[in-house]
Amino acid sequence: ETGVTQTPRHLVMGMTNKKSLKCEQHLGHNAMYWYKQSAKKPLELMFVYSLEERVENNSVPSRFSPECPNSSHLFLHLHTLQPEDSALYLCASSQDSLAGAGELFFGEGSRLTVL
Amino acid sequence: ILNVEQSPQSLHVQEGDSTNFTCSFPSSNFYALHWYRWETAKSPEALFVMTLNGDEKKKGRISATLNTKEGYSYLYIKGSQPEDSATYLCAFANTGTASKLTFGTGTRLQVTL
Repeated sequence: ETGVTQTPRHLVMGMTNKKSLKCEQHLGHNAMYWYKQSAKKPLELMFVYSLEERVENNSVPSRFSPECPNSSHLFLHLHTLQPEDSALYLCASSQDSLAGAGELFFGEGSRLTVL
Repeated sequence: ILNVEQSPQSLHVQEGDSTNFTCSFPSSNFYALHWYRWETAKSPEALFVMTLNGDEKKKGRISATLNTKEGYSYLYIKGSQPEDSATYLCAFANTGTASKLTFGTGTRLQVTL
């Protein structure tokens, strides 16, 4: 069983749809992250949660809404997205939220296409 | 805005060649430098986390060095194998934003027989 699991792996949605991405980690980590990977751009941090509290919101539009009900699960709720939001969304976890101190463990990503 | 630069963007070597890539980052308020390896259709995997100037880390045929004073890190691969083909990412954190890693765009390595 992989440490960080993301579902769905692929998602196609219209601009008026509401969908959610799910991330689950089985590593006992205290911090979880959402990153966005757009074509030819570096991985971009969206949100950081530490012990279920949001500690970083990297100027992400409100059409992306994160939720962390417990330290093992992280969701990204999507609503009225734009075609330019099409990207690979990666979830990651680490022992604590001082990301520089310890490595990140990534999921395989959810490939989102907005039509 | 923190800027992390990686070079080259891509690299094509033959099996057995040794190679190296560069990661440049701001030298002030350094906290940590990470290297990740990302194979196509898989998840990025950590290679090294480096925190001290002069750090040198090794994992098998892969090693990395760190110079925080001048703001660069090198990743070396000795005797490249086809399974080393991947994108190699570096990421930087400073003391002001220790919860946030800023990634470079990566170096894409292809190793052929």
